[in-house]
Amino acid sequence: GEDVEQSLFLSVREGDSSVINCTYTDSSSTYLYWYKQEPGAGLQLLTYIFSNMDMKQDQRLTVLLNKKDKHLSLRIADTQTGDSAIYFCAEKAGANNLFFGTGTRLTVIP
Amino acid sequence: GAVVSQHPSRVICKSGTSVKIECRSLDFQATTMFWYRQFPKQSLMLMATSNEGSKATYEQGVEKDKFLINHASLTLSTLTVTSAHPEDSSFYICSAAIASDTQYFGPGTRLTVL
Repeated sequence: GEDVEQSLFLSVREGDSSVINCTYTDSSSTYLYWYKQEPGAGLQLLTYIFSNMDMKQDQRLTVLLNKKDKHLSLRIADTQTGDSAIYFCAEKAGANNLFFGTGTRLTVIP
Repeated sequence: GAVVSQHPSRVICKSGTSVKIECRSLDFQATTMFWYRQFPKQSLMLMATSNEGSKATYEQGVEKDKFLINHASLTLSTLTVTSAHPEDSSFYICSAAIASDTQYFGPGTRLTVL
């Protein structure tokens, strides 16, 4: 199946920017998503980008997509302690199926 | 908008019993619902996709007789883990979507089988 990879851990200081990276293999992906999962909770949709876009900005979140390299990133500006969570990227291939990355655990140091 | 609930949030059961988990879309009608399983510190694994009124489509390696899925209405899907065993202990998450639109996830159900 599709392969979606992320680095497992990221630590940043409060107030700094966080950049979470994701690579995928399916060039036919239509949408790419970022989800946030807090401990013991379900997934919260943060943002998504259509595959023909390069960038999408939503308040503190900036998504960059390099379709040629199949690389997706999520930048969180002015990272806060409440941003500490696991972040999953997911690609949509086909009608409905989502394929998730391994998740990146973001730790924000006060 | 786009709120999905799951019930129960936590369940502990004895080995050999069956457990039913409900997934509801509260403010929209979901033509498609998905069931995922998440092991500790791991990603989500899609178990099955269900469309209202039809049989669920199971992913390879998922036993359809063990994980019974019913999608009786546009707002409710249920997952029944039959004859549960300790290895079925996991975090089960559902999601709901309108046609091929974005999936919205429920808060998850933690199942512990003793």
